Amino acid sequence: SQQGEEDPQALSIQEGENATMNCSYKTSINNLQWYRQNSGRGLVHLILIRSNEREKHSGRLRVTLDTSKKSSSLLITASRAADTASYFCATVNPYGNNRLAFGKGNQVVVIP
Amino acid sequence: DTGVSQDPRHKITKRGQNVTFRCDPISEHNRLYWYRQTLGQGPEFLTYFQNEAQLEKSRLLSDRFSAERPKGSFSTLEIQRTEQGDSAMYLCASSIRAGSRDTEAFFGQGTRLTVV
Repeated sequence: SQQGEEDPQALSIQEGENATMNCSYKTSINNLQWYRQNSGRGLVHLILIRSNEREKHSGRLRVTLDTSKKSSSLLITASRAADTASYFCATVNPYGNNRLAFGKGNQVVVIP
Repeated sequence: DTGVSQDPRHKITKRGQNVTFRCDPISEHNRLYWYRQTLGQGPEFLTYFQNEAQLEKSRLLSDRFSAERPKGSFSTLEIQRTEQGDSAMYLCASSIRAGSRDTEAFFGQGTRLTVV
């Protein structure tokens, strides 16, 4: 079953603006990961945040994790047209198999 | 290292035919995963190997589906008697367990299956 649930589902922004996506989940996690997928392609790993971490940065990406609320957010700052893609959050359970449970994804369109 | 590769990239088959997909993971990765993704949805877990052992299978993996990883390197996913509902993108991913820590999964470009 799907674990992560992203919100909002679709986002259209102007180049240079920030984009924020949220993800909620239901069960215990070992870590939460964000992936990007360009149309018809494979997934590219963006960032991993462990259950004992609260915030992580990677370039223009900022991820937060609130395990008490079972939610995470992904912020893309100073968006570019090349950021147009679908973004998925995925959780990994604490049972050791590293299996990813994905949400439905956010479609982000950055208008040049 | 060229990442995870999948073959073929696209497959069109008639209903009732068998198809086989191949995945070559990153060479030192001991974990290999298969996922299925339909349009507008996130990937759904199908099965997982650690080395050559298939350790977990989803309920999505019906009797018509079989996966192998014979020498703990490449993996194959076979679908027998394909149905139109099998049309999807089949994604392979690999990762490595470093000590007690899991690392991120690296995905291939996927095999898009169309059953007509």
